[in-house]
Amino acid sequence: DAGITQSPRHKVTETGTPVTLRCHQTENHRYMYWYRQDPGHGLRLIHYSYGVKDTDKGEVSDGYSVSRSKTEDFLLTLESATSSQTSVYFCAISEPPETFIYNEQFFGPGTRLTVL
Amino acid sequence: GENVEQHPSTLSVQEGDSAVIKCTYSDSASNYFPWYKQELGKRPQLIIDIRSNVGEKKDQRIAVTLNKTAKHFSLHITETQPEDSAVYFCAAEEDSWGKFQFGAGTQVVVTP
Repeated sequence: DAGITQSPRHKVTETGTPVTLRCHQTENHRYMYWYRQDPGHGLRLIHYSYGVKDTDKGEVSDGYSVSRSKTEDFLLTLESATSSQTSVYFCAISEPPETFIYNEQFFGPGTRLTVL
Repeated sequence: GENVEQHPSTLSVQEGDSAVIKCTYSDSASNYFPWYKQELGKRPQLIIDIRSNVGEKKDQRIAVTLNKTAKHFSLHITETQPEDSAVYFCAAEEDSWGKFQFGAGTQVVVTP
């Protein structure tokens, strides 16, 4: 597995509380992504980053914010958690090859978040 | 943006039989189509991919075909084994580099 870790791996929190998930990589890959995985929906992109301080929204970004102050760390914040944000969250990384032909993503181990 | 549909959602096969999963996509500008396998409780991992300038690619018991005209691509697993039991996801890279749209996944169960 690529050098990607996520913390925490499991978290239970209450509605209305802020939550921050961390993704850490040791591969020096430029691109980083946050996905959520829910039954019947596959993997849906929340936010992604194409460099330090460069981020963009995915298809399900409402209620989430991100920050990337260092190449190796990508933080996902739920400002005020809701029960609909109960999910498994995966971080992914990739590095564009010089020819920009393809883009293999490597996934972290996931964080299971439960919002009560 | 890109939209990817994946069928079937579940697939049960006898050990030794073949399994086929199909995906369609909407953005004709998409050029890269990876397939991921996710075992229970694990992270998704790339098993095979195909680029738009190729019609078919094989890797041992796994093959992927792409029909750009019809905008669909398929995963073929031959001689299935119990360890092939997992959820499989197809994906298409959107026109803007680095963003992917994933299918909803196919739960494959291989029974001995």
